[in-house]
Parts: sequence; structure tokens; C-alpha cells
Amino acid sequence: GAGVSQSPSNKVTEKGKDVELRCDPISGHTALYWYRQSLGQGLEFLIYFQGNSAPDKSGLPSDRFSAERTGGSVSTLTIQRTQQEDSAVYLCASSLGGQVAVGQFFGPGTRLTVL
Amino acid sequence: QKEVEQNSGPLSVPEGAIASLNCTYSDRGSQSFFWYRQYSGKSPELIMFIYSNGDKEDGRFTAQLNKASQYVSLLIRDSQPSDSATYLCAVTTMEYGNKLVFGAGTILRVKS
Repeated sequence: GAGVSQSPSNKVTEKGKDVELRCDPISGHTALYWYRQSLGQGLEFLIYFQGNSAPDKSGLPSDRFSAERTGGSVSTLTIQRTQQEDSAVYLCASSLGGQVAVGQFFGPGTRLTVL
Repeated sequence: QKEVEQNSGPLSVPEGAIASLNCTYSDRGSQSFFWYRQYSGKSPELIMFIYSNGDKEDGRFTAQLNKASQYVSLLIRDSQPSDSATYLCAVTTMEYGNKLVFGAGTILRVKS
């Protein structure tokens, strides 16, 4: 597939457990974003990776959230000690980086439910 | 002031009418502007981008940009019920190294 892929598509977990969400961007895209979207709400920016630069982590809501991007490709968003308010759809998007004029392309999202 | 502002709506238009969606932004250095459509339960989908003042047309969609007024709009001609969705405006901001910043979106409802 040529698009952004995310896994799992759905994740149900118990409060206090850790979860890992994966994003596989479009090949060749150097920029990768994570967003969170709660039901009926707008996109909440979490973190932005651009090439080899230090990531922009300004959107991470707490230190329970972290993300890494290995080899400039696949990214993993980790949420430790999940809370019920973490329940949301987590969206990943990628773009050609410096050539942002062509926009970001979104993956299908991971729906996280914390019981 | 939010970086990218949109009227949350809902904006209701009859089928066949022109829907006009508006967005203002705060960073004068912004260079690229995007419109995304998001159907309920789906991911946002890029429908238009513009980076020069004026109009850009693609089928029934026209994006309009006025950098002096820091204003970008999306016109949808001959609106169809299938256009009912949330429309997100997004702007690159030089402050964050070309990071894309999204508005909260406008809900559009096209009534048949």
C-alpha cells in the first residue's frame, strides 16, 4: 500500500496499562506528525518529527506520552499508565517535509479505549 | 488568539447552493494553506492547497487566499449531500519550522 498505515486499528486497554501505537509513513516522507482526536473534537497536535532534527514535542499532554521514530521511518507513540481521558483516536500523518506545499496525508487512525 | 480560526458551524446550505467556508490565521509568515475534509469516523482527507494570493479552482472547489487580510476560504459550488462533513483549514507557520497548524473545523450540512 502507498498510504500511511497505523496499527492496531483498535486498542482496548485497562487503566494503568502501557500501550504502543505504530505508524508507518509513506515511503520517502521525511515529516511525521501524531495527533489525537476525541469524539466530536478537533485535531490535537501531539508531536512532529522532521528528518534528523529534534522532534517538536510541544503538544504532548503529559510525561506519560512519548514517541520515537527509528531510522527516519516508522514511529511509535507510547502512552504509559493509561488513563480514561486518554481514550481517543490517535492519527498519524506524513508529508514530504520541506515541501509541505503538497500537504500531509493521514493514516486511518488507532481508536484507543481505556476502561 | 488562536493561530488558525474557523467558525465551528454548523453551516447549513441547500443542495445546489454555494457553500462558503472561511479561515483566518495569525502568522503573517505563513506560506502554505490547506483544506481538509473529514467525514464522521474517518481521517482527514486533503482536498485543496494554495500558496499564492488569489483563487485556485479544482472542479467544484475554489480556494481563495488573501495574505494581506490573513484570510483563506473554500467555496464549494453545486453543493451535494455528500459534501456534508467537517472542513479543516490548515496553515504552515514559520514559527514552528513549517509545521502544519489546524483550525478546529467547520461542520457543513448540505440539505437535500
